[in-house]
Amino acid sequence: AQSVTQLDSHVSVSEGTPVLLRCNYSSSYSPSLFWYVQHPNKGLQLLLKYTSAATLVKGINGFEAEFKKSETSFHLTKPSAHMSDAAEYFCVLNAGNNRKLIWGLGTSLAVNP
Amino acid sequence: EAGVAQSPRYKIIEKRQSVAFWCNPISGHATLYWYQQILGQGPKLLIQFQNNGVVDDSQLPKDRFSAERLKGVDSTLKIQPAKLEDSAVYLCASSFVPGLAGEEGYIQYFGAGTRLSVL
Repeated sequence: AQSVTQLDSHVSVSEGTPVLLRCNYSSSYSPSLFWYVQHPNKGLQLLLKYTSAATLVKGINGFEAEFKKSETSFHLTKPSAHMSDAAEYFCVLNAGNNRKLIWGLGTSLAVNP
Repeated sequence: EAGVAQSPRYKIIEKRQSVAFWCNPISGHATLYWYQQILGQGPKLLIQFQNNGVVDDSQLPKDRFSAERLKGVDSTLKIQPAKLEDSAVYLCASSFVPGLAGEEGYIQYFGAGTRLSVL
């Protein structure tokens, strides 16, 4: 069975401090994994993707994620949070022949001044 | 490159009325998806088209929801009649034709969505 677990529903950080949003997955296929970001009243924007190439993936706005097969994880990080990073973040799995997206429940990131 | 276009951005209707949403995918994308996103939740796939054919509509409430993509390009999603629980954001996404770019071809790109409020 395919599944995605985002380990934190809410994360709060101070501006300028590191961000860590955690995601674990379960898949019997070789997965593709994505992080999407959704700002209030906006659509979903692709932040970064892992599609079986380099395990350390860099995305937009200074975010990056590392695919760790041994830990079945794909955690999202950023060295220094900015106020504009406050949003909902979704970890998403694309696996299996039908390529249907499996969504995590989302992590709400708050950035405090 | 232009993104996925959706209209309207917002819609307010009363229950039992009908409503339609429009989506124009990224040029050349063969696959089009409609999702429903209820406040505080992740998106739920309603229907997937490959060109003008339906690939998956297993979670589409067919008694009230319908969708079409007649010419394999833009698409319309309709709700008739609407219920209070249909209040949500309706997202359209598109992706490239599988096989042309490996796994990159399956990446879905989303429009800004239509926020529907049913009163």
